[in-house]
This record gives sequence, C-alpha cells and structure tokens, in this order.
Amino acid sequence: EMQLVGSGGGLVQPGGSLRLSCAASRSTFSSYDMSWVRQAPGKGLEWVSTISGDGDSTYYADSVRGRFTISRDNSKNTLYLQMNSLRVEDTAIYYCAKHAYRGAMGVWGQGTTVTASS
Amino acid sequence: EIVMTQSPATLSVSPGERATLSCRASQSVSTNLAWYQQKPGQAPRLLIYGASTRATGIPARFSGSGSGTEFTLTISSLQSEDFAVYYCQQYNDWPLTFGQGTKVEIK
Repeated sequence: EMQLVGSGGGLVQPGGSLRLSCAASRSTFSSYDMSWVRQAPGKGLEWVSTISGDGDSTYYADSVRGRFTISRDNSKNTLYLQMNSLRVEDTAIYYCAKHAYRGAMGVWGQGTTVTASS
Repeated sequence: EIVMTQSPATLSVSPGERATLSCRASQSVSTNLAWYQQKPGQAPRLLIYGASTRATGIPARFSGSGSGTEFTLTISSLQSEDFAVYYCQQYNDWPLTFGQGTKVEIK
C-alpha cells in the first residue's frame, strides 16, 4: 500500500506564503488523482484541491482559488500545495490523500500543521 | 455546491450495541458517497465507498446503504476501537464536500 508523508507546515504571518509537500512511497503515484484536505482546530474536514494523475486537471475550493496552487512531480512521486496570501482562517492541519475509488480518498498522509498568525 | 448534512451530531452508544448514522445530500449524488472514520490525533480512514462497498481491511460490522440523497452507515456491534468521529463525503460533483461529522461516544 502506498504511504504518504506530508511536510512543509509551520508558522507564517498573514499575507505570507508556504509550500507543502507530500512524498509518496510507490512509483505508481502517477496513476492516481491526489487531493489536499484540511481541518481547522476542533473542526471538520474541508476539501481544498485535487489534481489528476497526469497533472493536467486541477480543481479548487472557492475559499482558496486564486491563492493556492496544487501541482505534482511524478518523477519525484511528490505532490505540492503552494499557498500564497495566507489568512488566519487558513490555519489547519493539511492532509494529502490518494484517490482510490474515483473521489473516495483511500490513503492519507499524517498531516502537516499550518498556522497563520501574527 | 452540494451540502452534506449528518445526523445526529453526537451518538451515545454502549459497547456491543448497534449504531446508525445518517447523511443527507442537498441534491442527488447517486452512489458517489464515502464514509470515513477519524480518531483523535489521527488522519481519517476510508471505511466505505460507492455508498455500500467496504474498503480493504474494513471489518464486516461496518455497512453502508442508500442512494440519491439519503445514506446510512451502520455499525452492527460497537467495539471499543469504533468510538470516533465519522464523516460522509460526496464525490459526485465539484467541489467535493464533507458532512460536519457524527461523534460516536461511549454511553
């Protein structure tokens, strides 16, 4: 089973930028759509963005469109999330996830924490 | 946007009892629905996809049913490890959306 390891989280001032990474353990990485899902402190799950296996198609939640960019490097088995113009409300644990059955997410990373605060 | 509404918010159940969780979609999602379990400090785990198909390694006590706008997750006999928060998620249309979660707690 593929394993996912997220990294890149941290403390950033509002208006700042961060890039999250998610490294996959298997070379079949390019076969799967991948998503980022976040969870604000004490709250539920919120889908952020999805990218197709070949990277040609991307989808975003309205709350992040125009500020966040999802990408992948299949030669490195790695998924990215570039986050710009961060807001306090972007504070959350960010999970990367592999789509196993269409939009159902079968494998999840351990999460990386992003805190946007002054 | 398809809004997913779960009920109840909290379900108090004794070990060994049956738990029934509901999820309603604001418009039809066919059977493009998944259920996840999340324990404190852990990432979510996929339980059910296609509304009723158990994911690999999920015990048979978990079952899903429904189509269209009404869905149910049933845990036939609650074990200690099943006390957690459960989320439904539709993948019929963009944006992907989750319900707000149902917490299953020990009675």
